Order: sequence, then structure tokens, then C-alpha cells
Amino acid sequence: SQTIHQWPATLVQPVGSPLSLECTVEGTSNPNLYWYRQAAGRGLQLLFYSVGIGQISSEVPQNLSASRPQDRQFILSSKKLLLSDSGFYLCAWSLNLNTGELFFGEGSRLTVL
Amino acid sequence: KNEVEQSPQNLTAQEGEFITINCSYSVGISALHWLQQHPGGGIVSLFMLSSGKKKHGRLIATINIQEKHSSLHITASHPRDSAVYICAVRTGNQFYFGTGTSLTVIP
Repeated sequence: SQTIHQWPATLVQPVGSPLSLECTVEGTSNPNLYWYRQAAGRGLQLLFYSVGIGQISSEVPQNLSASRPQDRQFILSSKKLLLSDSGFYLCAWSLNLNTGELFFGEGSRLTVL
Repeated sequence: KNEVEQSPQNLTAQEGEFITINCSYSVGISALHWLQQHPGGGIVSLFMLSSGKKKHGRLIATINIQEKHSSLHITASHPRDSAVYICAVRTGNQFYFGTGTSLTVIP
């Protein structure tokens, strides 16, 4: 069966420090992968999505970046965190089908101090 | 204007009540998803539908493609149903999300 894992679950980082959130998917091949951020009282905001290795689409200009070094691995990074980067980050995957279901990781809560 | 609008934003119900959450969208879609998010933050998929109606236990989801509207119903609500329910629509490889409905079921 398919599973998705992301880590770390909780992270407290100082302003200006780097960030790396990792997400891996098991049990499927060539998934579409997504990074979302969820702010309180707002819907999920798409940050990046990827339809294949090395293919990254960015939806929101910011100091975050994403990489997909392997088919089932998706990494969210920052070289220097800002206070505004605090939030709840979710990785998700779906098959490249119009009716593919959407599966989420457990989420990573980032607090930037 | 958001592509997906949900109502109500917050909902409190007594245990056993019938609950309806509504979702309207403004884009062409290939599928609509209902998601459940518990206080810990994890999100699980409840339904994916592109037409008609689906039922799973006490949960029922309907969609009217012509009216671009979907509803999620919970029959005989229970405190364990307390969660945030999120409507999402798929267009190509993109998903658009409502802001969620926070449901609290009181014993």
C-alpha cells in the first residue's frame, strides 16, 4: 500500500537559519508531489509541485526552494528563514490522473523565532 | 475571490444531529475532494467524486456539476466527528482548497 512520510514533525529555528523538510512516498511510482503551507484561518497554499524528477514548479515567490532528487523524494529548503515562514507545512502526493486521490503527510510545524 | 468557498466557517452541533457542510467552486474541475483534518494536523481523504453521490458509513457526499456545488453530510453526528472539513477541487495537476469548516460535536 502507498504511504507518505514527512519529517521533522516539529521544528523551532532562529531567523536566518537554514531549513530542510523532507518527504518520501512509498508504494507508488512517478507521483505528482506537492508542498503546501497552511496558515491559521486560511486554506492550503501551494508552494511547489513536481511532476517528475528535477521538475519543480513554483507558485509563490519567496525564500523557499524545493528539489526532487529521486522519484519519491521531495525536499523543501530555505537558506535563511524569515519570521513569516512560520506555519504548518504539508507534503502531498497524487497520481497524474484527473481522478487521482490526494494523500497528505503528517505535516511539519515550523516556528521561526 | 477564492476558487473554492465553504460554508459555514464554524459549526457546533449536539451529538446525534444531522450536519451539512457546503462547498461551491468557480473553476472547471475533474474531481472534488472532501478532506478531514484533526487537531493534530494530519489530513485524510474522505471522498473523491466527480459526479453524483458517495456514501461511507455515516458520511455522504454529493456533487452537482452544473451548479458547481457539493455538500458533505454527517448523519447521527458524534463527538469524534469534531474536526476541520476541507473541500478541494482538482484542475489538471493543481488542487484548490476551501478554508475549511470547523465542526464541534458536543456530547
